[in-house]
Amino acid sequence: ETGVTQTPRHLVMGMTNKKSLKCEQHLGHNAMYWYKQSAKKPLELMFVYNFKEQTENNSVPSRFSPECPNSSHLFLHLHTLQPEDSALYLCASTISGSYEQYFGPGTRLTVT
Amino acid sequence: DAKTTQPNSMESNEEEPVHLPCNHSTISGTDYIHWYRQLPSQGPEYVIHGLTSNVNNRMASLAIAEDRKSSTLILHRATLRDAAVYYCILTGNTDKLIFGTGTRLQVFP
Repeated sequence: ETGVTQTPRHLVMGMTNKKSLKCEQHLGHNAMYWYKQSAKKPLELMFVYNFKEQTENNSVPSRFSPECPNSSHLFLHLHTLQPEDSALYLCASTISGSYEQYFGPGTRLTVT
Repeated sequence: DAKTTQPNSMESNEEEPVHLPCNHSTISGTDYIHWYRQLPSQGPEYVIHGLTSNVNNRMASLAIAEDRKSSTLILHRATLRDAAVYYCILTGNTDKLIFGTGTRLQVFP
């Protein structure tokens, strides 16, 4: 247990669905991240939030929409996804400026 | 971002030391060296980091070459729970972690 929780842990959705992934931490961290881990590919950084402000968007398609309402919560809103978006989506948090990121267990997403 | 090179896989027997190498010949003076590991069905986990001097913590030791072009993560006594993918990552003046393919460590009883 790292103190970073993600829900749901598994999600199956059709290409026309809209769903959201949730990440939560109560570690007092002020930086939060979304990563994508596809089969047989390295983890890819998607988005970075520092003090609730988005500071990095790593050329992610607009069908992925992040939201950070406060320093403890991070969402990833999904709509009209493609089958190739099936992957493990990982959330991480840290104190801004620290090198030690705490990762959640991930949400295994399958797009049918 | 400076690049790292790691072997795809390594094997060890339980209770033996494990030395996981990482080459980073293009490292710059401000790059920190980080190690994370990812156990099966889990998110990555921080292991250790350093800049120039060797570092020890409860999980592992990090040995950094004098020219900083390579480093070695040392697990002093491997256990079955240490079976994971180990990632060597460089960061400069940023908190961004750029993961490579890492080294898959297998530990045999």
